[in-house]
Amino acid sequence: ETGVTQTPRHLVMGMTNKKSLKCEQHLGHNAMYWYKQSAKKPLELMFVYNFKEQTENNSVPSRFSPECPNSSHLFLHLHTLQPEDSALYLCASSLGGEQFFGPGTRLTVL
Amino acid sequence: AQSVAQPEDQVNVAEGNPLTVKCTYSVSGNPYLFWYVQYPNRGLQFLLKYITGDNLVKGSYGFEAEFNKSQTSFHLKKPSALVSDSALYFCAVRRDNQGGKLIFGQGTELSVKP
Repeated sequence: ETGVTQTPRHLVMGMTNKKSLKCEQHLGHNAMYWYKQSAKKPLELMFVYNFKEQTENNSVPSRFSPECPNSSHLFLHLHTLQPEDSALYLCASSLGGEQFFGPGTRLTVL
Repeated sequence: AQSVAQPEDQVNVAEGNPLTVKCTYSVSGNPYLFWYVQYPNRGLQFLLKYITGDNLVKGSYGFEAEFNKSQTSFHLKKPSALVSDSALYFCAVRRDNQGGKLIFGQGTELSVKP
């Protein structure tokens, strides 16, 4: 256990659905991250939050909408996704050093 | 621009033999270097890091890595591989004066056979 939790662990959704992924850490970290991990591709950094402020958006389509209400919680709101968005979505947190990862949400878009 | 290269998609080793997973990096300034391991259907687990000091860094599960500035490398090593070491390994780098953003390599699949 890394101290970073993610829910749900698995999610199947249609292209017209709206869903949210949740990430939570109580490690006292001030930075949180969303990554996308697709088969045969390197980890893609999607968003970075420092002290609840978004500091990086790596040209992510607007159908992915992050939210960071406080330093312990991070959400990824999903709407009108495409089948190519199917992947493992990983959350991580850090205090400036190594990042601690959650177990991921396996997302399948039908 | 910062980058990390893991030249081998897959490494195959017999149990009990030494293993090496290669990583080279490109970064301006002093690098902070990391290794992570990912088991099937799991998130990434931190193994070890190099910030400063001794070039040989020891980490979890008997792994170690050697920082080589002249060759810009940070290869992961273990003297005696276990079948349970079979997993996906990621090298990552960031600049010393930057925030927590890491640049990851593409990953190397390690397979240890009995």
